[in-house]
Amino acid sequence: DAGVIQSPRHEVTEMGQEVTLRCKPISGHNSLFWYRQTMMRGLELLIYFNNNVPIDDSGMPEDRFSAKMPNASFSTLKIQPSEPRDSAVYFCASSILGNEKLFFGSGTQLSVL
Amino acid sequence: KQEVTQIPAALSVPEGENLVLNCSFTDSAIYNLQWFRQDPGKGLTSLLLIQSSQREQTSGRLNASLDKSSGRSTLYIAASQPGDSATYLCAVPYNTDKLIFGTGTRLQVFP
Repeated sequence: DAGVIQSPRHEVTEMGQEVTLRCKPISGHNSLFWYRQTMMRGLELLIYFNNNVPIDDSGMPEDRFSAKMPNASFSTLKIQPSEPRDSAVYFCASSILGNEKLFFGSGTQLSVL
Repeated sequence: KQEVTQIPAALSVPEGENLVLNCSFTDSAIYNLQWFRQDPGKGLTSLLLIQSSQREQTSGRLNASLDKSSGRSTLYIAASQPGDSATYLCAVPYNTDKLIFGTGTRLQVFP
C-alpha cells in the first residue's frame, strides 16, 4: 500500500482565499484524523471520522474550517477564508480502528500570506 | 482533561550512548500508548504501541515501557546512531479515539 496520501505537498495562498487540502487514507482503514502542527501549539487534533462519519470536530478552530469525507477513500479539509494564523503543517492520518496504530501522511505545508 | 508532557525537550548525545526519553500523562485511564518518530519536514511514523495490559514493547534497539499507575512511559534507545536523530513523540488516547500528543523530544546523535 502507498500509505496515507496528502495533496498538495505545499500550498501558498493569500489571505482571504479558499484552501482545500486532500487526503486518501490507507485502504481498509476505518478511522481518519486531521491534525495541525505548529511550533507554538504542537500537534492538535482538528477532527476525526469513523466509517466516513464525523465523530468529534471540537478541535476545529473556527467556522472557517470544515471537513468532509464523502467516501472511505477520500477526505477534504477546507479553510475559507484563510488567514495568516492558519499557516501550519496539516496532517492526515488513518487507522484500522480509532484506537490502534496510526499512520500519517507526509503533510501539507500551508502558508497564508 | 488529558495532558501529555515529554522531558527533555531536546537532547544531544554522541553516537553509541544509551538513551531514555520520558513521557508523562495526567489521566491514567488509558488503554494504550504510542511512541512516534518525526523526521524534519516529514510525517510521523509509529514506532511502538503498548497496550494497557502490557508493561513494555520492544522493536530492535527500541524498548518502551508503560506504568499506568504513575502516569509514565519511557522510550529506551540502545546504542544510539546518527540515523536516530529525529523528534520523538508519545501519544495517548482520550475520549476513546482522540490521540493526544506530547510536545516531543528533539534528539540529535552526533558521530
